[in-house]
Parts: sequence; C-alpha cells; structure tokens
Amino acid sequence: GAGVSQSPRYKVAKRGQDVALRCDPISGHVSLFWYQQALGQGPEFLTYFQNEAQLDKSGLPSDRFFAERPEGSVSTLKIQRTQQEDSAVYLCASSTSSGRAEEQFFGPGTRLTVL
Amino acid sequence: AQSVAQPEDQVNVAEGNPLTVKCTYSVSGNPYLFWYVQYPNRGLQFLLKYITGDNLVKGSYGFEAEFNKSQTSFHLKKPSALVSDSALYFCAVRAYNNNDMRFGAGTRLTVKP
Repeated sequence: GAGVSQSPRYKVAKRGQDVALRCDPISGHVSLFWYQQALGQGPEFLTYFQNEAQLDKSGLPSDRFFAERPEGSVSTLKIQRTQQEDSAVYLCASSTSSGRAEEQFFGPGTRLTVL
Repeated sequence: AQSVAQPEDQVNVAEGNPLTVKCTYSVSGNPYLFWYVQYPNRGLQFLLKYITGDNLVKGSYGFEAEFNKSQTSFHLKKPSALVSDSALYFCAVRAYNNNDMRFGAGTRLTVKP
C-alpha cells in the first residue's frame, strides 16, 4: 500500500521567501508528526496533530513556523520569511492511532535549502 | 526531559559477525523505546520497539534489542551482519505522557564483505 508521501522532495528558497511543505499521511492514520532533521543529526520534533487538532506545537522553533491539517488528512508546514538556519530536511510521519506506543511511519522528507 | 544518547558515530563490522549498536536513554517514568533505520534518500523505517514485558525484543530483518532498565540502555543487536545492513540507525524514546519522540544523533553502521 501507499506510504507517507511528501512534496516537494527538494526546495530551494531565497532568504526571506515563504515556503509550504506538504505531507500526505497513510490513509486513515489518526496521528501526524512533523520533524526537522539537520545534517548529521537525528530528527527533532516540531509538532503533532491528532486528526485535525494540533495538540502539541512545542517544538516549532519560532512563530515563523506554522502547520495545519484542516481535514484531518493532508498536512502543510509553512515557513515564513525563511532564514538560512531553516535549511534542513523536514520529515512527516503518521501513525494509526493516538497511542504513544505506536510506531510512526515516515515519509522521504523535503530537503529545504535557504540561500 | 527525555533524551537519547548514541555514543558511537560509526560502527564497523565484518559480514557474518555479530553487531551491536548502543543506545542509552533518559526519561521520567516508563519509556517507549524504538529503533529506526535510514537508507540514503529514503525515510526512516521502523525496526522494533519496546513497550513493556520481555526485555528482549525481536524486530524486522533479524534485528533484536535488549531493554535494560537498570542501565537505561536499549542496544540493537544482530547475530550475523549482512552487507545490506549498512545504513544509519536511530534510537528514539517517548515518554508515556509525552507527544514528542526524542531521537539520538544516529550511528552509521558499515558492514564490510
């Protein structure tokens, strides 16, 4: 079956531009997560959705970062006025339920480069 | 706060030899522990997890991990390494009452023929 998909796979932005990154989770998955992975590091939690509700946004690094999941399926991570330090791979993951013991299924990521 | 340490950036083993990738964690309360593998240009793939019960957990591709509460460790093991096991491995922990999953920095495993 189809896994988690993300688009675009690569994005180059000039400093100050706004970007939008899309995540299509596995159909029917309740939970959706966004992570930021810097080069040579493990993923770092950004935000968590349960269906359409954003239950945790404690990992968003600044108010330039905004995420939404309006219909409880597709999610978009938006970064306003991009800065060079925003360059990273952004990973989306989904899981079947809201249980914290559930494994997460990851997409291939979007590599964002800010010039 | 929860955290994970993977003390080795790189592990090299010969094909056919046993492998161990180390992980220690810190968390309040009972932990949920996970191992993921990342191949180039692909997303992280789930290998195995510990929730409760038997300390030895078996997962995909012949991997297993041993939960040691007293040493707060969750080392990944495989009895006989394959060249195709070469990849980046991440240990992760999630507290029972927390939404975020905390990952280690990763260990690059290289299996040489």
